[in-house]
Amino acid sequence: QQPVQSPQAVILREGEDAVINCSSSKALYSVHWYRQKHGEAPVFLMILLKGGEQKGHEKISASFNEKKQQSSLYLTASQLSYSGTYFCGTVPNAGGTSYGKLTFGQGTILTVHP
Amino acid sequence: DSGVTQTPKHLITATGQRVTLRCSPRSGDLSVYWYQQSLDQGLQFLIQYYNGEERAKGNILERFSAQQFPDLHSELNLSSLELGDSALYFCASSARDRPNNEQFFGPGTRLTVL
Repeated sequence: QQPVQSPQAVILREGEDAVINCSSSKALYSVHWYRQKHGEAPVFLMILLKGGEQKGHEKISASFNEKKQQSSLYLTASQLSYSGTYFCGTVPNAGGTSYGKLTFGQGTILTVHP
Repeated sequence: DSGVTQTPKHLITATGQRVTLRCSPRSGDLSVYWYQQSLDQGLQFLIQYYNGEERAKGNILERFSAQQFPDLHSELNLSSLELGDSALYFCASSARDRPNNEQFFGPGTRLTVL
């Protein structure tokens, strides 16, 4: 089951903040966040694990609510370089058999204007 | 640069043909994942290998197959190509096969089937 991202698109001016949400109907082991610019590869931003551990980007923060199976990505003081499509990828809590297989949301398009 | 390499960058071929996409993981990474990205289906997991063994499978068509070689590079073989197979194919690698491992994506191969 594909996680659902919201909003589908966001338009910001430089310096403004944004929140992107990712929601799953399954119990999750981890949530991975990526940013992709048009025609390029997804770039790893952050991974959040059940139990509260986080690994990733210094300037981007995120949260993971295990009870609700929801994650949020917080982009503060946005820069032009933040423009792109943001994807969350989820790994279900499947007792060790999921092996890191990511199921991606449909993406959120973020546009930052000067 | 993620350290993951993919060749070729672009591939144009005709329906019914067979192609091979190649991926070299980051140095030291044992796990390789293949993803397909198309406009209508988004970013979809195809298959994962870990140290030469298949670990997980997604909605990979029977016409598609993959393998990981002793030097850890991987190949994705697509046969009897159809117009709908046109997409960006990404390879990603991670250190192990665990759901808490970051996955780093290669630049992708753009396949066009005419």
